[in-house]
Amino acid sequence: EPEVTQTPSHQVTQMGQEVILRCVPISNHLYFYWYRQILGQKVEFLVSFYNNEISEKSEIFDDQFSVERPDGSNFTLKIRSTKLEDSAMYFCASIPGQGNSGANVLTFGAGSRLTVL
Amino acid sequence: AQTVTQSQPEMSVQEAETVTLSCTYDTSESDYYLFWYKQPPSRQMILVIRQEAYKQQNATENRFSVNFQKAAKSFSLKISDSQLGDAAMYFCAYRSPHEKLTFGTGTRLTIIP
Repeated sequence: EPEVTQTPSHQVTQMGQEVILRCVPISNHLYFYWYRQILGQKVEFLVSFYNNEISEKSEIFDDQFSVERPDGSNFTLKIRSTKLEDSAMYFCASIPGQGNSGANVLTFGAGSRLTVL
Repeated sequence: AQTVTQSQPEMSVQEAETVTLSCTYDTSESDYYLFWYKQPPSRQMILVIRQEAYKQQNATENRFSVNFQKAAKSFSLKISDSQLGDAAMYFCAYRSPHEKLTFGTGTRLTIIP
């Protein structure tokens, strides 16, 4: 069964450093998402991406965050200057386009755990 | 904005028994989808079951079934013959077409051997 792949599985970084989290969505999917989950808390929406641009973002997704799809397969989340409160699990998800029977089911990656010291 | 409420932070059930997890949501949309995701200790998000709002019939997937009450905006998950592997966080989630998936706060399910 096709999977969403995320790397790294765990990253430890110093406060103020830049971090890039990578995702390879399922190949024929058109919509991409990043979510985060601070330990023990709910899963929060960060950003959605379609047709090479951001379609929606939350208030969490401030100027420190950016996303891009540099080569048609990878989908990256960059945090420019990490803060302690960025420590969380970051999930990438993707979804097929319209007309597909699975159109409304997000497939999630296994997550990237970010620890900011 | 759509909201999803799970009023049970924790639930426990004896192995082989049945348990029901509650979820309510708020929306003004008529076309939407509802989901239950399972998050085991590995923290992977695994789809358990989904329900299309336009379908009156409740979805079932083996031991998992839902009670979808559209007028009441209620979407509960029933797990029959509970197994040790069912122990996890369970998240109810809502999505309208072309929108983001919105999660509830989760219910931690413990299975008592």
